[in-house]
Amino acid sequence: GDSVTQMEGPVTLSEEAFLTINCTYTATGYPSLFWYVQYPGEGLQLLLKATKADDKGSNKGFEATYRKETTSFHLEKGSVQVSDSAVYFCALDRDDKIIFGKGTRLHILP
Amino acid sequence: DAMVIQNPRYQVTQFGKPVTLSCSQTLNHNVMYWYQQKSSQAPKLLFHYYDKDFNNEADTPDNFQSRRPNTSFCFLDIRSPGLGDAAMYLCATSRDSGAHYEQYFGPGTRLTVT
Repeated sequence: GDSVTQMEGPVTLSEEAFLTINCTYTATGYPSLFWYVQYPGEGLQLLLKATKADDKGSNKGFEATYRKETTSFHLEKGSVQVSDSAVYFCALDRDDKIIFGKGTRLHILP
Repeated sequence: DAMVIQNPRYQVTQFGKPVTLSCSQTLNHNVMYWYQQKSSQAPKLLFHYYDKDFNNEADTPDNFQSRRPNTSFCFLDIRSPGLGDAAMYLCATSRDSGAHYEQYFGPGTRLTVT
């Protein structure tokens, strides 16, 4: 069945470092792809999404590009802040349902 | 602010003692979802309501039931909680079904079974 695999955490970076969180997917057809973020004590929030190959989703300085050839949707940010500390979930849409990866916890040190 | 509210945030129940988790929304969305998230695992969809139509996932145990008495409220009932049911339970809503409609999540209820 369809699935999402993302890099295991926790990931610890210093403030202003470059961030990459890897995500690959397995799916038939061309699902929509998402990144969700969960800040401490809060629910999941949609961070960005891409609906077709080569689309780039972006929000709050984060970017991810839908790569059909590598079945990937890696999350990147050029300069992270302490406030970016959270758990990040890669996900895909299949038959109106969202399938999530296990999440990657990100710690940003000041 | 319009939002998805879950009560309580933390719930402790005894093995085999029925428990109900609550979700309410002020978004007037048609669809309400319940997910189970165990430690270090992906959120897993249990079921969802499209308006009053209930949609159960094939692998959701019969021990889990849900009620949606009106648009705003949805309840998750666990009839006989086992130790394996300890998890975070997430409620979400969306205006309609499909990838074009964002799901809005509540903060979750962490369930402990003793």
